[in-house]
Amino acid sequence: DAMVIQNPRYQVTQFGKPVTLSCSQTLNHNVMYWYQQKSSQAPKLLFHYYDKDFNNEADTPDNFQSRRPNTSFCFLDIRSPGLGDAAMYLCATSRGVGQGAYEQYFGPGTRLTVT
Amino acid sequence: GENVEQHPSTLSVQEGDSAVIKCTYSDSASNYFPWYKQELGKGPQLIIDIRSNVGEKKDQRIAVTLNKTAKHFSLHITETQPEDSAVYFCAASRRARSSGSARQLTFGSGTQLTVLP
Repeated sequence: DAMVIQNPRYQVTQFGKPVTLSCSQTLNHNVMYWYQQKSSQAPKLLFHYYDKDFNNEADTPDNFQSRRPNTSFCFLDIRSPGLGDAAMYLCATSRGVGQGAYEQYFGPGTRLTVT
Repeated sequence: GENVEQHPSTLSVQEGDSAVIKCTYSDSASNYFPWYKQELGKGPQLIIDIRSNVGEKKDQRIAVTLNKTAKHFSLHITETQPEDSAVYFCAASRRARSSGSARQLTFGSGTQLTVLP
């Protein structure tokens, strides 16, 4: 089945220790998004890629970076995690053009714990 | 930017009853309104959506209505079942300012729906 896959599902890192979360998709979608979701809150968009074009939200901290080496994969890098970065990180994709361009499909998320 | 308000924050209904969740949005440029269901520990699942050129859409027990003039939209679930229990998020979507074809999705604060057997 075509899908959005996130690894790992659970990640524990130490305060200040860089961590990378990964997302892959078999949908061949043009757009990949990263959201942060804190407990009992709505997902908040951090940034997205349209193909290779990176688009950062204005209020996304510099501590968060992203890479998209090819269509299928996208990575979220947190350079120096703080306790406030503990959250569920959700990857989503959308076609971007044509039929079904608007729909965003989410992966299962990676729950990040910072100790 | 866009602001989406969602009510109620919690909703309990008896199995078989209907559930209604309401949202309002502020940005008239928003033209796509999806609803997501999120179960504990999982990612949001798209359950139904509506575009701004349509007033109502139905899919089995789920329906969504949109009043573009008043900038509000609602989710209706009929004949609720225990497996409908989850957090439901509404969202408003417009083209991302920075990227012409990507969509900027702004979520409501979520509604915890509990269906009592």
